[in-house]
Amino acid sequence: SQTIHQWPATLVQPVGSPLSLECTVEGTSNPNLYWYRQAAGRGLQLLFYSVGIGQISSEVPQNLSASRPQDRQFILSSKKLLLSDSGFYLCAWSGGLFFGTTQYFGPGTRLLVL
Amino acid sequence: AQKVTQAQTEISVVEKEDVTLDCVYETRDTTYYLFWYKQPPSGELVFLIRRNSFDEQNEISGRYSWNFQKSTSSFNFTITASQVVDSAVYFCALSERTTSGTYKYIFGTGTRLKVLA
Repeated sequence: SQTIHQWPATLVQPVGSPLSLECTVEGTSNPNLYWYRQAAGRGLQLLFYSVGIGQISSEVPQNLSASRPQDRQFILSSKKLLLSDSGFYLCAWSGGLFFGTTQYFGPGTRLLVL
Repeated sequence: AQKVTQAQTEISVVEKEDVTLDCVYETRDTTYYLFWYKQPPSGELVFLIRRNSFDEQNEISGRYSWNFQKSTSSFNFTITASQVVDSAVYFCALSERTTSGTYKYIFGTGTRLKVLA
C-alpha cells in the first residue's frame, strides 16, 4: 500500500531564516505530487504541483519554491521566511494524469514564523 | 471560473442528531469530479468520497450519505446519528484540468462540525 511522509511535523523558525520541508511517497511510481498551504482557520491553497522529476508548476507567486529531485520526493523551500509563511503545509500525491484520480494527503507540517 | 462554495462555516449539533453539510460548485467542464475530505484535529486530510459528473446516484456508506444533484450544482454530505468522533472540518473539492494537461483540486473553505456529547 502507498504511504506518504512529511517532516518535520512542527517547525518554529525566525523571520529571514531558510526553510526546507520534505515529502516522500512509498509504494507507488511516478506519482503526481502537490504542496498545499492552509492558513489558520482557512481553506487549502495549492502552491505547487509536479508531474515528474524536475517538473514543477507554481500556482501563485510567493516567497517559496519547490523541487523534485527524485521520483517520490518533493521539497518545499524558502531562502528567507516571512511572517506570512506561517501555516499548515500539506503534501499530497495522486496516481497518473487522469483528472478524477484521488489525491491522498500526508500528515502535514505546522510552521510558525516568529 | 471554477469555484466551490461551502456556505456553512461552522455547525454544532448534539450527538445522535443528523447533520447535512452543503457544497455548491461552479464549473465550465461537462466532465468533472467532486470529492469530500475530513480533517480531524490532527490535521491530516482523510479522503471520504469521489463522485464523477455522470453518476448522479446517491451514495451511502454507513452513517455517511452523499446527495449529488447536477441540476443545482450541489454535492451535499449528510451524517446520520452524529457522534463526537465526527467532529472535524469537512472540505468539498472539485477537479479542474490545468493548461499543462494535468489537473488540480479547487477546495471549498470548509465547514467545521462540532458534535457535542
